[in-house]
Amino acid sequence: EVQLVESGGDLVQPGGSLRLSCAASGFTFSSYAMSWVRLAPGKGLEWVSTILKSGSATYLADSVKGRFTVSRDDSKNTLYLQMNSLRADDTAIYYCAKKALTSGFCPLDYWGQGTLVAVSS
Amino acid sequence: EIVLTQSPGTLSLSPGERATLSCRASQSISSSYFAWYQQKPGQAPRLLIYATSTRATGIPDRFSGSGSGTDFTLTISRLEPEDFVVYYCHQYGNPPQTFGQGTKVEVK
Repeated sequence: EVQLVESGGDLVQPGGSLRLSCAASGFTFSSYAMSWVRLAPGKGLEWVSTILKSGSATYLADSVKGRFTVSRDDSKNTLYLQMNSLRADDTAIYYCAKKALTSGFCPLDYWGQGTLVAVSS
Repeated sequence: EIVLTQSPGTLSLSPGERATLSCRASQSISSSYFAWYQQKPGQAPRLLIYATSTRATGIPDRFSGSGSGTDFTLTISRLEPEDFVVYYCHQYGNPPQTFGQGTKVEVK
C-alpha cells in the first residue's frame, strides 16, 4: 500500500524557515517524480514544486522560486521542501504527491494527508 | 500559465441526483493531460479521472469525465452521501501544472 506521510509543519514568523519532509513507502520511491502541492485557506490547490527521479531536475512555482528548495533522499525514501523567507501568503496545508507514471506528463495518483504551515507574527 | 476556472463554485443537489461540474481552461489543452480529484474534509485529495475520461483505480462508474479543448466536465450520475465534498480539476501537460479553485457539492 502506498503511503505518504508529511511532517515538519509549524507556526512560524514571517521571514522564518521550515523544512517539510515526506516519508514514502509501498512503492519504489526512486523510480518516480514527486511533487509538493499546497492548499491555502479559501483557495484552490496550487502546485509548488516537482523533483524528477534521482533529483535530475527540479521545478518550482514562480511564487516560491528563490525561497523554496526541493530535494530527495532515495536512500531514505524521503522528499523534502526547504522553505525560507516565509510570507503570510505561504500559509497553507502542504501535500506531497506521487506522480502516476515513471516518466512524462501524468497526474498525481497518491497524496499524503498534508502538514500545516502557518506564517504569522 | 493556464488558468482553470471551475463552475459553479457550489452545487446544491439531493442524493440520487445527477451532478455536472464544469472546468474551463484559459487556452486549449490536450485531453491526455487533464484530471479530476475529489477531496473530503481533512483528507488527502484522491485522483478520480485522468486523461479526461479514464477512471482511476477503484473509482465507481457513477463518475465520468468528458471534454476537449477548453471545456471539460465531471459528471456524477447519481449522488451518494459520500459524494458531497469538493472537486478539483487539474491540467498537467502545460508547465506549470495548474488546478481549478474547486467546486463544492453540498446537500440541498
